[in-house]
Amino acid sequence: RKEVEQDPGPFNVPEGATVAFNCTYSNSASQSFFWYRQDCRKEPKLLMSVYSSGNEDGRFTAQLNRASQYISLLIRDSKLSDSATYLCVWVMSGAGSYQLTFGKGTKLSVIP
Amino acid sequence: GAGVSQSPRYKVAKRGQDVALRCDPISGHVSLFWYQQALGQGPEFLTYFQNEAQLDKSGLPSDRFFAERPEGSVSTLKIQRTQQEDSAVYLCASSLVGGDEQYFGPGTRLTVT
Repeated sequence: RKEVEQDPGPFNVPEGATVAFNCTYSNSASQSFFWYRQDCRKEPKLLMSVYSSGNEDGRFTAQLNRASQYISLLIRDSKLSDSATYLCVWVMSGAGSYQLTFGKGTKLSVIP
Repeated sequence: GAGVSQSPRYKVAKRGQDVALRCDPISGHVSLFWYQQALGQGPEFLTYFQNEAQLDKSGLPSDRFFAERPEGSVSTLKIQRTQQEDSAVYLCASSLVGGDEQYFGPGTRLTVT
């Protein structure tokens, strides 16, 4: 049933490392894409939107490849506070509804 | 300002009991969403409201699940005759309008014994 596939990890990386996550989606009609962050036992929070041209927010870079149907998130200079689960999300809208489809999430642990 | 709030935060129900989960969205947010998140999974869409209108309930897993938002603000998700497979965190999210950033509440952790 899952239309979004993510590597669940866990990714264990040392502080200062660069880490990248990919997420593939199956529905080519997907309209919008996002990365959400979810800390343990907390609610998801929007990290950043993903655009075809790529977008950067500080140490975070998100990329969308529509031809290959995947999105990516790159985190440079990892901090301990980056430890969380990262969820890729795509949005379909139509017939008055907006459905977010979440991946299972990729768990990142940044180690001192 | 106040974010999305949900109550109760934790609920333990015996199999077969009915439960009601409440969501208070951010004031003025037109759109409201319910999600179910099982352990180790991402949230799964359940239903979507625009004001008081339930525009999409395609994600509700069975007719035991019912959601309402009668006055276009507070919403209640009701689960009748709970089953063990209903155990999950139920997340509510609201957005100013449908395609905007969604703000999530802390969730209600439901455990059916």
